Amino acid sequence: GAVVSQHPSWVICKSGTSVKIECRSLDFQATTMFWYRQFPKQSLMLMATSNEGSKATYEQGVEKDKFLINHASLTLSTLTVTSAHPEDSSFYICSARKTENTGELFFGEGSRLTVL
Amino acid sequence: GQQLNQSPQSMFIQEGEDVSMNCTSSSIFNTWLWYKQEPGEGPVLLIALYKAGELTSNGRLTAQFGITRKDSFLNISASIPSDVGIYFCAGRLGAGNNRKLIWGLGTSLAVNP
Repeated sequence: GAVVSQHPSWVICKSGTSVKIECRSLDFQATTMFWYRQFPKQSLMLMATSNEGSKATYEQGVEKDKFLINHASLTLSTLTVTSAHPEDSSFYICSARKTENTGELFFGEGSRLTVL
Repeated sequence: GQQLNQSPQSMFIQEGEDVSMNCTSSSIFNTWLWYKQEPGEGPVLLIALYKAGELTSNGRLTAQFGITRKDSFLNISASIPSDVGIYFCAGRLGAGNNRKLIWGLGTSLAVNP
């Protein structure tokens, strides 16, 4: 299998602060990682695709200056929610695809963000 | 964005019963994936399908890639309480390094012991 780990698993912050979420592939190298957002009882919504060493590709409607994504190595991608507001509260999940894999995505445990 | 039609939306069954759920699309997919998500966790891959007509099992789970490449089903036999969760289908269109997954809205499964 393949293990993807996220940190932190939950975070509570004050409105206006920035929060960084890390996503690591523990036993494989991931040239591509994906960041999703999920609201309660809803499906996953793709926010952006990040490729190691290049800029992330954001989905329509996702503010790139609000959600900063960095994929600086083959095992680490970070999502920074800048100047967080209560409406940014959500469950954020990352996923990674093995370099050699044909298409399977492996997901992290998710990070619950609550902005007060 | 584009989504798959996944049904049923929810199921409440007795332990021991078999379960069937499916996803359909108007588009042709070259990959179908089935995931299970438990509360507060990320989705876990159950079965991956890559060829039209492919039938794959994982324990009590069986999934098939429809021959039209526009649908897939997942069956769970002899359900147990730990099968509770939300099951998502996901399909991939086209090729390319950044090809995205299209997600179903999920099937919520509850099992009564």
